[in-house]
Amino acid sequence: GQNIDQPTEMTATEGAIVQINCTYQTSGFNGLFWYQQHAGEAPTFLSYNVLDGLEEKGRFSSFLSRSKGYSYLLLKELQMKDSASYLCASMDSNYQLIWGAGTKLIIKP
Amino acid sequence: IAGITQAPTSQILAAGRRMTLRCTQDMRHNAMYWYRQDLGLGLRLIHYSNTAGTTGKGEVPDGYSVSRANTDDFPLTLASAVPSQTSVYFCASSPTSGGSPDTQYFGPGTRLTVL
Repeated sequence: GQNIDQPTEMTATEGAIVQINCTYQTSGFNGLFWYQQHAGEAPTFLSYNVLDGLEEKGRFSSFLSRSKGYSYLLLKELQMKDSASYLCASMDSNYQLIWGAGTKLIIKP
Repeated sequence: IAGITQAPTSQILAAGRRMTLRCTQDMRHNAMYWYRQDLGLGLRLIHYSNTAGTTGKGEVPDGYSVSRANTDDFPLTLASAVPSQTSVYFCASSPTSGGSPDTQYFGPGTRLTVL
């Protein structure tokens, strides 16, 4: 079956670094997406990885290991506005997204 | 209009009633999607359309129907609402017609409560 696992909730301190992990198992693989979703709002695109390795985009980086079915999102220099849910999604062989339940990130001052 | 709009923003509906959720995009994207989001679960695909005139079933299509008469509009209809359809509904679109990895862009959502 298809499955995406990520932690339900994480807490971090303003200014610190946090890593949100995601493991995936899908029928075929056409890339791994990360989205950010603030409470009561729509998901917004953060990153896409299809090759192994780290992709850096400002304070956010995303890593993929295809052989391990594993990805992580790394957030540096945390700000209060980073408090949100982070959604991991794997694109399957039909180019459909299979979504994890999301990780709620709580930032404390 | 800029991006994707959804209407209504929220709705309380009696069970058994018919309801259409509206979705319009002005980005000329080929593909459109309807998802539902429930607490503790990931987004689940209800129906999708890779291009105007075509539609397909997602993971949870039962009780829902869609149409895609043109590029911009993708309404979702609940023929006879049931309480288990209480959820937040998101419409999304992506530029290509499926068959390639592509970023999906989401509308603001419709919060639907069925009593």
